[in-house]
Amino acid sequence: QVQLKESGPGLVQPSQTLSLTCTVAGFSLTSYNVHWVRQPPGKGLEWMGVIWNTGGTRYNSALKSRLSISKDTSKSQVFLKMNSLQTEDTATYYCARDREFGHMDAWGQGASVTVSS
Amino acid sequence: EIVLTQSPTTMAASPGEKVTITCRASSSVSYMHWYQQKPGASPKPWIYDTSKLASGVPNRFSGSGSGTSYSLTISSMETEDTATYYCQQWSSNSRTFGGGTKLELK
Repeated sequence: QVQLKESGPGLVQPSQTLSLTCTVAGFSLTSYNVHWVRQPPGKGLEWMGVIWNTGGTRYNSALKSRLSISKDTSKSQVFLKMNSLQTEDTATYYCARDREFGHMDAWGQGASVTVSS
Repeated sequence: EIVLTQSPTTMAASPGEKVTITCRASSSVSYMHWYQQKPGASPKPWIYDTSKLASGVPNRFSGSGSGTSYSLTISSMETEDTATYYCQQWSSNSRTFGGGTKLELK
């Protein structure tokens, strides 16, 4: 059964770094790409970036300077790090599996992150 | 970066009514994908590769389009279809989402 689950701190202080983990089950990170997508409260979905099965990455140009995605294939974990957080980074953060022609066929439950002092 | 514009932003439909949601891309794309999201839940894959229904999606849903214009259609609105629908494209190894269409019951 394919599963993804996000974990991380619910509260981050402004200017600090956000670290999130996506733990996957039912598939290998050597065979599938994984995306990060976020959604501010009451707003739409924003694609953040992807880590390919090969380990390469691609980021949303608006976030590129602050964002880093990596993985530990042996632990079936994908990591998101984003620095210089501001209140507008308050959102639910999702990881999702990538399939052929770019659709995301499985999503995690989401991790709610609030940026506040 | 390709921008996706969905219309309408919000709409209400009566049970049994036909519903069409449109997604227009700023440049031509090869495929369009759609997701359904209900409050407090993660997005669900709904239609992929423009016209294929994800597992469990009722066949009153359909998807079509090409180039810069795509649509999601519900042949006969049902209560359970109330949700927000997002389109999403893939190009140049990046992804973008439309702004969403909130579908309510009239």
